[in-house]
Amino acid sequence: ETGVTQTPRHLVMGMTNKKSLKCEQHLGHNAMYWYKQSAKKPLELMFVYNFKEQTENNSVPSRFSPECPNSSHLFLHLHTLQPEDSALYLCASSQGAESDEQFFGPGTRLTVL
Amino acid sequence: GQSLEQPSEVTAVEGAIVQINCTYQTSGFYGLSWYQQHDGGAPTFLSYNALDGLEETGRFSSFLSRSDSYGYLLLQELQMKDSASYFCAVRDPNDYKLSFGAGTTVTVRA
Repeated sequence: ETGVTQTPRHLVMGMTNKKSLKCEQHLGHNAMYWYKQSAKKPLELMFVYNFKEQTENNSVPSRFSPECPNSSHLFLHLHTLQPEDSALYLCASSQGAESDEQFFGPGTRLTVL
Repeated sequence: GQSLEQPSEVTAVEGAIVQINCTYQTSGFYGLSWYQQHDGGAPTFLSYNALDGLEETGRFSSFLSRSDSYGYLLLQELQMKDSASYFCAVRDPNDYKLSFGAGTTVTVRA
């Protein structure tokens, strides 16, 4: 248990669906992240929020839309996804965006049909 | 940009020693981190090296040579529970982004 929770743990959706992934951290951290993890590929940073402000959008398609209402919660809104978006989506947090130690949640295994 | 290279797989027996190498090419460098991820689990932080040399934490040690753009993670007295994927990562000082290697899958056999 790292102090970072993610829901749902598994999600199957069609290409026309709209769904949201939720992340919550109980560590009092100020920075939160979304990563995409595909098989045999490096973790890909998607978004960074520092003190609720988005500081990084790593050329992510607009069908992924993040939301950070406060320092403890992070959402990833999904719409009109493609099958190649199927992956493990990991949320992480750290004390600040400059911290080298990040705490990861267990991830949401997403399958797009 | 950042580029990291590490072997894809390593297999060893219980009690053995495994060294996972990581070479990096970066536009900027703060330090080298290592993370462990068990199958189906979350990546967990293992170590961080900002300066040259060896950092030891129990059975795991991490080494960095900044001049060679190289580091390694040393796993000693291997146990079955050490079977996992291990990722090296570097942080870009310009934008704080962490870039990860593709990971090394370590399989420990009895």
